[in-house]
Amino acid sequence: DAGITQSPRYKITETGRQVTLMCHQTWSHSYMFWYRQDLGHGLRLIYYSAAADITDKGEVPDGYVVSRSKTENFPLTLESATRSQTSVYFCASRGGRNEQFFGPGTRLTVL
Amino acid sequence: TQLLEQSPQFLSIQEGENLTVYCNSSSVFSSLQWYRQEPGEGPVLLVTVVTGGEVKKLKRLTFQFGDARKDSSLHITAAQTGDTGLYLCAGEAGGSYIPTFGRGTSLIVHP
Repeated sequence: DAGITQSPRYKITETGRQVTLMCHQTWSHSYMFWYRQDLGHGLRLIYYSAAADITDKGEVPDGYVVSRSKTENFPLTLESATRSQTSVYFCASRGGRNEQFFGPGTRLTVL
Repeated sequence: TQLLEQSPQFLSIQEGENLTVYCNSSSVFSSLQWYRQEPGEGPVLLVTVVTGGEVKKLKRLTFQFGDARKDSSLHITAAQTGDTGLYLCAGEAGGSYIPTFGRGTSLIVHP
């Protein structure tokens, strides 16, 4: 199916563990983005990628790592999870008219 | 400093009422998007406005882009319970490919 998918949808982990959130899009969009959404803060940009092997920091990159070896995949890794990283994470890709297409989100809880 | 200011932040109305949500900025945007997000899901694109002064209609929703392309509004006529959700505006300013999102307007429509 065409679109953008995220996995897992829900994840519970412990402080200090490494966690990877997956994102896959089927449109071959060049730009992809990772956001976190928290009450009172709205959507905040973590990292973005303009193309395969090109990534850059957003507003809140600390504690996160991204890679983009293929156009369709854009995984986000929390190297050592902290409680402050408990959030809902959204992946998105950018269409031809500047619009963003979002995945369904991953709800991450760090205990 | 929030580049895109949305107001009001919260709105609770009865079915059948009309409402307007505002998205304001001091920056010029090449285009502006409106999204609706329902609980547990990612934001979904409603409309993109590109031309200053442009008005677009989507059933009972009317979107307007300011003449100077610095602001936009969303008007809902005869709101229905299905309109409940978080409404987000977003745009790319100054030729950037990185979008800025407003913090959203949370709308609840009571039956």
